[in-house]
Amino acid sequence: QSALTQPASVSGSPGQSITISCTGTSSDVGGYKYVSWYQQHPGKAPKLMIYDVSNRPSGVSNRFSGSKSGNTASLTISGLQAEDEADYYCSSYTSSSTRNWVFGGGTKLTVL
Amino acid sequence: QVQLVQSGAEVKKPGASVKVSCKASGYTFTSYYMHWVRQAPGQGLEWMGIINPSGGSTSYAQKFQGRVTMTRDTSTSTVYMELSSLRSEDTAVYYCASSVDTAMDFDYWGQGTLVTVSS
Repeated sequence: QSALTQPASVSGSPGQSITISCTGTSSDVGGYKYVSWYQQHPGKAPKLMIYDVSNRPSGVSNRFSGSKSGNTASLTISGLQAEDEADYYCSSYTSSSTRNWVFGGGTKLTVL
Repeated sequence: QVQLVQSGAEVKKPGASVKVSCKASGYTFTSYYMHWVRQAPGQGLEWMGIINPSGGSTSYAQKFQGRVTMTRDTSTSTVYMELSSLRSEDTAVYYCASSVDTAMDFDYWGQGTLVTVSS
């Protein structure tokens, strides 16, 4: 069982906006600013889309944005495009005694 | 540009060990931590551990303690991940990932190495 909880799937039509949630605890998401989001297309390595809750790496479209409230982080994708269809994973640094970083279970985004 | 190039796919029998390499280029190897993350077929990402290429210190997820060893060779800018006592559940793609532009996130990834454990 993943430490961070994400919805298994979300969908949206081209041009629409969608939000993916990532719920943890005060030991991870709620306790640190080190929440990141990754996009993964089939057969490819993950790609960093958002880091430190809301920062975009150079080259990532400004259609991607991140936020956090309490123990829940969110990724919003606006102006959906067909190429956004992929799996999305959140990650957080954690003070857990069993590991230093944790991932969410992943969310499959379908662009209708 | 930053590149992480991993070794090729492996097929191992249960009980054996596997050692995967990850060669870094395009940045100062000893200045940034390297992580190992794995992904079983059709499953999510799982953090395995981290190594400091400068001094070689490591921290492993409890799940892998006693079975995983991460090392580095500064002369070739390469990190290694060795997993022992392999079982079928270890069949996965193993990724190395560094934190070069961000301090605490995985901003550059290797291409992945498929390790298949089968009798």
